[in-house]
Amino acid sequence: GAGVSQSPSNKVTEKGKDVELRCDPISGHTALYWYRQRLGQGLEFLIYFQGNSAPDKSGLPSDRFSAERTGESVSTLTIQRTQQEDSAVYLCASSLAPPRAFLNTEAFFGQGTRLTVV
Amino acid sequence: GQQVMQIPQYQHVQEGEDFTTYCNSSTTLSNIQWYKQRPGGHPVFLIQLVKSGEVKKQKRLTFQFGEAKKNSSLHITATQTTDVGTYFCAGWNFGNEKLTFGTGTRLTIIP
Repeated sequence: GAGVSQSPSNKVTEKGKDVELRCDPISGHTALYWYRQRLGQGLEFLIYFQGNSAPDKSGLPSDRFSAERTGESVSTLTIQRTQQEDSAVYLCASSLAPPRAFLNTEAFFGQGTRLTVV
Repeated sequence: GQQVMQIPQYQHVQEGEDFTTYCNSSTTLSNIQWYKQRPGGHPVFLIQLVKSGEVKKQKRLTFQFGEAKKNSSLHITATQTTDVGTYFCAGWNFGNEKLTFGTGTRLTIIP
């Protein structure tokens, strides 16, 4: 596609339910990031994929959070047993090259998924 | 772990005044990027700096990378209402795989 696509754009879920958030990166982009942004706050790093591998998953807040990437393309962020503090916008970004490159490392962001846990 | 702080957290300026945000890293960075997030939008890449002491300009925006590659700044001359938003720096260094974003500076313009 022309840009990074995230779905759903909005998700309201009941506390305790599981949710899956999807990210379709730009075709050919090897690097993929997930960030969380609470209202009026900065970008909280969750996980980074290079291809289908996740060399850095240090930002996942708890074992309720997991993510995978397949085909060096689509990524899914899963939150199990959602809590109210999980409410936030979840942003996905992709870049052509990993951060250690000096070219083509620009990160393109999707529009985000706004998750509300009630 | 690596931390990237920005100051100020908020800045309100009269239209036409200048604006500067400062980015400071706890570790030496290999490169630094700047992003702008409009209200209700997502971050959009502005520029990348790689070399020590590098200065780049985009119209009214001037970006600088410090000599020690631990800090950076973004200066906007004669702000306009279109400059409203949150400005983030983002850095990477060897040993880390992730791109770490700064805490952001939210700019509001008083017409």
